[in-house]
This record gives sequence, C-alpha cells and structure tokens, in this order.
Amino acid sequence: EAAVTQSPRNKVAVTGGKVTLSCNQTNNHNNMYWYRQDTGHGLRLIHYSYGAGSTEKGDIPDGYKASRPSQENFSLILELATPSQTSVYFCASGRRASDYTFGSGTRLLVI
Amino acid sequence: AQSVTQPDARVTVSEGASLQLRCKYSYSGTPYLFWYVQYPRQGLQLLLKYYSGDPVVQGVNGFEAEFIKSNSSFHLRKASVHWSDSAVYFCAVSADTGNYKYVFGAGTRLKVIA
Repeated sequence: EAAVTQSPRNKVAVTGGKVTLSCNQTNNHNNMYWYRQDTGHGLRLIHYSYGAGSTEKGDIPDGYKASRPSQENFSLILELATPSQTSVYFCASGRRASDYTFGSGTRLLVI
Repeated sequence: AQSVTQPDARVTVSEGASLQLRCKYSYSGTPYLFWYVQYPRQGLQLLLKYYSGDPVVQGVNGFEAEFIKSNSSFHLRKASVHWSDSAVYFCAVSADTGNYKYVFGAGTRLKVIA
C-alpha cells in the first residue's frame, strides 16, 4: 500500500542543536512537501520539492533547510533549533493537488 | 495568492443535531477545495474534495460540502452528529497548476456533547 512514513514520531531537541526529520514515500510521486502545524495557523508550507535534487522554499522557510536525495526521501533540517520551532511537522507527497498523501506527523519539542 | 478563513475557532453542538462548519477561500482561478479532519494526536484524514461538477460533494461518514462560487465558500455539513465526530476540521484550497501546495485554514475544533 502506497504510503508516506515520517520518522521519528516524537523528538526532543536542545536549543542550538541540529535536527533532521525524515520522510519516505512509496507513492512514486514527484512532489513532496513539508508543513508545520500550529494552533491558530493550521498547516503552513515550509519547503517542497519537484523531484530528486530539487528543493524550493515555501511560505515559511526561515530557519529550515530541505534535502531530496531521491524520489522516495525528503528531509527537513533544522541546523540550529530554537524553541519557536516546537511544532508538529507533516510531510506529504502528491502528483497533483487531487492526490496528496500526508504522513502521520512528527512532534518536535525544542527545549 | 490563496487564503482560507475558518471564522469559527470552536463549535459545540449536541449529539444528533445538524452541523455546519464555515469556510471561505480566496483564489482568483479555479480552486481545488478540501476538508480534512484531525482526531486527537493523529494525522489528517481527507473527508472530501471538490474541483468541478455538482457543487454539493459527498464525503465519508455522512459529511457533505457545498461549493458556492459567488460567495467563495465551501461549508461543511452533517445532518446528525455523533460524539465521535469531535475533532479539529480543516478547510484547504489548492490550485491544480504550479506547485500544488495546499493553503489551510486555522481549523475549527468541534465538540459534540450529550
């Protein structure tokens, strides 16, 4: 069954540390996305990718980097984590707007 | 640019009552519209989506939504709610061109009481 898998499910990080959130999809979708969810804001787009080797800035990219080494994998990198990056992060893949698949989310706490 | 407004942050209804959750969007082209539900500490589940055709679209678990272009609205409805419908509901808009990004509303937290 096609799916989007995120790891880890939960993460506690120290302020100033480096955090990598991983996402793997078996949908063979070209497009992948990272969103964060915060109360009062819904989900907001951080970075996205059109395919292997491609990363693009979304609506709120500051403080985040992304990496797409292959069709299946898309990582979100926080080089210097801050408490304001405490959130729930969702990865998604999609060929078009009509066929998104979301992962289950990663809860990140930066202390 | 796209945007979505869900004007009601919280809604409380009695079990068995009807429900309407409001969503207004802004997009200059033809929008792709979605409703998602999120149960506590879970991911997003698609309830329904709309792009064209009959403006009333049926979804899962008895939910439906009506696209009203003149009002830029896509309200979610259910005839009779159950306690298990308590969750957060998100409306989202996308374009079927470009990067296909979703723009979400802030969400409406629904509480169903006995």
